[in-house]
Amino acid sequence: QKEVEQNSGPLSVPEGAIASLNCTYSDRGSQSFFWYRQYSGKSPELIMFIYSNGDKEDGRFTAQLNKASQYVSLLIRDSQPSDSATYLCAVKGGGSGNTGKLIFGQGTTLQVKP
Amino acid sequence: DGGITQSPKYLFRKEGQNVTLSCEQNLNHDAMYWYRQDPGQGLRLIYYSQIVNDFQKGDIAEGYSVSREKKESFPLTVTSAQKNPTAFYLCASRTDRGRIGYTFGSGTRLTVV
Repeated sequence: QKEVEQNSGPLSVPEGAIASLNCTYSDRGSQSFFWYRQYSGKSPELIMFIYSNGDKEDGRFTAQLNKASQYVSLLIRDSQPSDSATYLCAVKGGGSGNTGKLIFGQGTTLQVKP
Repeated sequence: DGGITQSPKYLFRKEGQNVTLSCEQNLNHDAMYWYRQDPGQGLRLIYYSQIVNDFQKGDIAEGYSVSREKKESFPLTVTSAQKNPTAFYLCASRTDRGRIGYTFGSGTRLTVV
């Protein structure tokens, strides 16, 4: 079973700080990596995706990918209370072919305290 | 606006009863997926379909059934064989063009009473 692992948290940071969320995956052939934000009782929404090693920035969010270490992270700069949510890491494995199946981690709960 | 519509938002099932969750999309997406989420857990794949009239089992298909008679629709039936159906059910779709992730519906919360 291909796995995606996240620390369930909660991760607590003060408002304005940088929140760092981490994810590791077991399938070395994984191709695409996604971060979803999920508010309590709501469905996940896509906030970042990354395919190549290195950093990808979008506003206050930066995704970082290291395929050699099988590690993907999400940094949230200037954290706001509205960022408080569960963040799901999802991976499209190398064995997914053209099915597009994503494997999800269990999510990390982020709490941003005013 | 294009999107995915799941209904109902809340559903209550009695023991031994089959129930069907609706999922409709107007995004012209080819692939559709059903996931189950338990409290504090990630999403687990139940079934998926890449084209009309074809679907495949995911990791936890036992006790569930699906159909894909139209591109827009991918209903999920939770049968009486599913012994622990209480969960949050999410439908998603994906275009074959590009490598963008899923678009999710708003979910159906199923409770056994």
